[in-house]
Amino acid sequence: EAGVVQSPRYKIIEKKQPVAFWCNPISGHNTLYWYRQNLGQGPELLIRYENEEAVDDSQLPKDRFSAERLKGVDSTLKIQPAELGDSAVYLCASSSHRGREYEQFFGPGTRLTVL
Amino acid sequence: AQSVTQPDIHITVSEGASLELRCNYSYGATPYLFWYVQSPGQGLQLLLKYFSGDTLVQGIKGFEAEFKRSQSSFNLRKPSVHWSDAAEYFCAVGVLSGNTPLVFGKGTRLSVIA
Repeated sequence: EAGVVQSPRYKIIEKKQPVAFWCNPISGHNTLYWYRQNLGQGPELLIRYENEEAVDDSQLPKDRFSAERLKGVDSTLKIQPAELGDSAVYLCASSSHRGREYEQFFGPGTRLTVL
Repeated sequence: AQSVTQPDIHITVSEGASLELRCNYSYGATPYLFWYVQSPGQGLQLLLKYFSGDTLVQGIKGFEAEFKRSQSSFNLRKPSVHWSDAAEYFCAVGVLSGNTPLVFGKGTRLSVIA
């Protein structure tokens, strides 16, 4: 079974430029998460999708961040314009209910450096 | 709201020595608890999880963790550390409703010396 796929793995941009990250979750997983991991910190949720609906985006800085999950499968996270403080690792995860237990599977992440 | 505290930012152990990484959580109901490991440049890999039942859970790579409700703790242990265990370890808590985002601690970096 293929895991969560993310691209690109690394991205270096100058501030004020736009950037986009792509995530392909595990097949059949209806829940998709985007987390941001700052250096020396644990991941923090940006947005959660149930199928194509964003059900938790309270931590997403909506003035510059946007996300979409068309057809309830792949997802794209965009930043426009990027700021120096956006430098971080952006992790995508997916999960599916199995009775009352669940597990989130994480992709390798995209490491963003804003210069 | 739930929260996780990992008191140790960095731990160094000798190869072959035992290991215990501490994790304390705050949550009003029964939590789901997880330990993940992250090697440099890699994503998060699940080591083990606790949902219910036996409070001592076994995971991959020889790790185990014990849920202690009275202490709000879920410490990770390994009897004999290998050099390949050097990585960042994250404790996380989830809620009963499932498919909700995990709340992570800040992580503990493990270094292994010969």
